Amino acid sequence: ETGVTQTPRHLVMGMTNKKSLKCEQHLGHNAMYWYKQSAKKPLELMFVYSLEERVENNSVPSRFSPECPNSSHLFLHLHTLQPEDSALYLCASSQVTEYNSPLHFGNGTRLTVT
Amino acid sequence: AQTVTQSQPEMSVQEAETVTLSCTYDTSESDYYLFWYKQPPSRQMILVIRQEAYKQQNATENRFSVNFQKAAKSFSLKISDSQLGDAAMYFCAYRSGETSGSRLTFGEGTQLTVNP
Repeated sequence: ETGVTQTPRHLVMGMTNKKSLKCEQHLGHNAMYWYKQSAKKPLELMFVYSLEERVENNSVPSRFSPECPNSSHLFLHLHTLQPEDSALYLCASSQVTEYNSPLHFGNGTRLTVT
Repeated sequence: AQTVTQSQPEMSVQEAETVTLSCTYDTSESDYYLFWYKQPPSRQMILVIRQEAYKQQNATENRFSVNFQKAAKSFSLKISDSQLGDAAMYFCAYRSGETSGSRLTFGEGTQLTVNP
């Protein structure tokens, strides 16, 4: 069982659709993250949840809506996306109380907006 | 704000040879952590090695080692005895030790090809 699991692996959606990305971590961590990875660009931090509270938004458009119902699950709700939102979306978790704790990533969801 | 720069978009190495990937960063902080992550075609980001800024000794993990030059703000990754499985995108990342949370700032990545 992998530490961080993301579903679906691939997603194609139209600009008027509503979909959700799911992330689950089995590592007992207390912080979870959404990152966006676009071609030729550094990973962009979208959202951080620490101890189940959102602590950082990073000016992400409102068409992306995160939800963290507990410390093991994280969702990213998508609606009325734009083609430029097509990217790889990576979920990660860490133990926020350990200063040198690395992030553990999932395999990502490849999102294509048509 | 901190920035991380990887000046080599692509690198290649022959199997069994040694390759060094470059990373520089900009920060005004004295307490921080540096990481190298590997992203193979499976897309999962895998931690390769980490370095605490307060440690002068360079970190080593089997065939992977770093050359950490704090004054120069340089953090290069050396891969010895390169293997075909080392082929991946490599990302350098910075994390503050002075602010709460574990958020990382990533570089743009270096695509490493290993030739048989």
